[in-house]
Amino acid sequence: GGIITQTPKFLIGQEGQKLTLKCQQNFNHDTMYWYRQDSGKGLRLIYYSITENDLQKGDLSEGYDASREKKSSFSLTVTSAQKNEMAVFLCASSPGQGAGNTLYFGEGSRLIVV
Amino acid sequence: GDSVTQTEGPVTVSESESLIINCTYSATSIAYPNLFWYVRYPGEGLQLLLKVITAGQKGSSRGFEATYNKETTSFHLQKASVQESDSAVYYCALGENSGTYQRFGTGTKLQVVP
Repeated sequence: GGIITQTPKFLIGQEGQKLTLKCQQNFNHDTMYWYRQDSGKGLRLIYYSITENDLQKGDLSEGYDASREKKSSFSLTVTSAQKNEMAVFLCASSPGQGAGNTLYFGEGSRLIVV
Repeated sequence: GDSVTQTEGPVTVSESESLIINCTYSATSIAYPNLFWYVRYPGEGLQLLLKVITAGQKGSSRGFEATYNKETTSFHLQKASVQESDSAVYYCALGENSGTYQRFGTGTKLQVVP
């Protein structure tokens, strides 16, 4: 089996600050995702990547950047943190490059903006 | 666009009672979506509960069942007799092998009381 590791578990920053979340997977999966989880709104996709150095925008990409420099890692940057962005960010990976495959998730990173 | 609608939570059920969490989908750009139920137990990451890729088929896991109904575009999650350990948040999702990323419902928090 494999594992997805998200760091940090809690990310505290000030309004306007640039903040980065990191995700590592050892499944050797092709595709990685960043979802944002807000209470009552489900999971919404921010960015995904189907291979190293590939980036695709999701429904919620504005205000975020992403980077996939290695197959095993995918980072997400909040370019200017806002208080209404406090949420849980979930990283996931899946084998292959289609959306019909099972997603494997990390435990999540909670963003707190003060 | 493609979307998923599921029962709004929280849902409270007594132990040993039956449960149904409704999920309906709209797949305007996906001819044959794969349908998923994911679950997040307290203190754990989001994980696959069950998946069905063929219309008319039923998936089952941990005593839960869901049938892929293309006519009613539904994928309701059912269990005949719930236990306290089923308390969790359940997400319905759809995706397609040639598609980009999975779409999720808003999640349903289930609390099973003794």
